[in-house]
Amino acid sequence: KAGVTQTPRYLIKTRGQQVTLSCSPISGHRSVSWYQQTPGQGLQFLFEYFSETQRNKGNFPGRFSGRQFSNSRSEMNVSTLELGDSALYLCASSPGTRYNEQFFGPGTRLTVL
Amino acid sequence: AQTVTQSQPEMSVQEAETVTLSCTYDTSESDYYLFWYKQPPSRQMILVIRQEAYKQQNATENRFSVNFQKAAKSFSLKISDSQLGDAAMYFCAYCGNQFYFGTGTSLTVIP
Repeated sequence: KAGVTQTPRYLIKTRGQQVTLSCSPISGHRSVSWYQQTPGQGLQFLFEYFSETQRNKGNFPGRFSGRQFSNSRSEMNVSTLELGDSALYLCASSPGTRYNEQFFGPGTRLTVL
Repeated sequence: AQTVTQSQPEMSVQEAETVTLSCTYDTSESDYYLFWYKQPPSRQMILVIRQEAYKQQNATENRFSVNFQKAAKSFSLKISDSQLGDAAMYFCAYCGNQFYFGTGTSLTVIP
């Protein structure tokens, strides 16, 4: 099976712009989670989508949003970018039942100038 | 909310030696899983080992084993016969209703 893929791998934006990141989960996986990884902060949970519905949400401002399509692919959108949004954004997929391990993609490195 | 604490930001180990990475967590849930993930430099995060909270027996995967102390809410990772390829960032993770990750331990393997 192909692994989790994320596009683009690298992105440079300026403050105030918006950005959309994409994640394709492993075939058959119905859950997609998004994380923000920054040095010293570890992985901060953004949200989880399951069967096109947001199932869990982390403690991030409303500028961060996401959605999931019927084929389980997911997108994450960040509006009005701030310098502090510079991070590695990781997507992880799982079959969707509780306690399943998560399979991670390579991440999208976002730099906000 | 659940929290996961990794108190060792950096660790180092001589090749072929053994190292233990610490992790503690806080939860009021009785049913959960624990994981250790490895993130090599510029590479994808991969699962190292998982432990079901209802199992008393510590999980083992080849050179990797855990010491799971449920009452103490402790979940340490032991790496035996360390290899250069073990150098990475290691994240402890708790999974109840959702995943919670620690801040990671950077492991250096010295040849």
